Amino acid sequence: QSVLTQPPSASGTPGQRVTISCSGSSSNIGSNTVNWYQQLPGTAPKLLIYNNNQRPSGVPDRFSGSKSGTSASLAISGLQSEDEADYYCAAWDDSLNVWVFGGGTKLTVL
Amino acid sequence: EVQLVESGGGLVKPGGSLRLSCTVSGFTFSSYSMNWVRQAPGKGLEWVSSISSSDSYIYYADSVKGRFTISRDNAKNSLYLQMNSLRAEDTAVYYCARDSTPYSGSYFDYWGQGTLVTVSS
Repeated sequence: QSVLTQPPSASGTPGQRVTISCSGSSSNIGSNTVNWYQQLPGTAPKLLIYNNNQRPSGVPDRFSGSKSGTSASLAISGLQSEDEADYYCAAWDDSLNVWVFGGGTKLTVL
Repeated sequence: EVQLVESGGGLVKPGGSLRLSCTVSGFTFSSYSMNWVRQAPGKGLEWVSSISSSDSYIYYADSVKGRFTISRDNAKNSLYLQMNSLRAEDTAVYYCARDSTPYSGSYFDYWGQGTLVTVSS
């Protein structure tokens, strides 16, 4: 059971917009910024969104992040086949002094 | 180019020990906090441990506290994870990941390719 809650799966057709939610509590998402990681099949995770809504250099602006209260969301617009991957949210937890991850969301491009 | 290369994984019996290493290049290792994150087969990511740039602050997940020890050698640009009293549930790919700041709590901006640890009799 992960501290952060994500839907196990999401799907969309090419060109569509999909969102992935991440729910936490006051000690993690409510107190700290949220980061998102993308893990393509058979590869190491990669930073996708940091500090709630910032994109590292090289990440397309089709990817965006937001946070409100104790929840966060990742949005992917103009869905492409290469976006098929697992997506994880993460935040520091002030009460536990640990990093907490969501269970991951497997995105399928139909 | 930033690179993180893990090594030391392998097959070990329950109750055994293993030491993982992560050798980095392309950045000033002593300026960044470092982490170990693991992923059991077919499962999600699980943070294991963090160590600040000068090892003043060290944190562990409850699942490994008392059994695993994180350390670093800034002169050798290397991060380590000493794993003792290993259990079947420790079987996973172990990634080292750089935190973007000297202290834990920011974000993991670079990851290694991972090393597989299998605990089985």
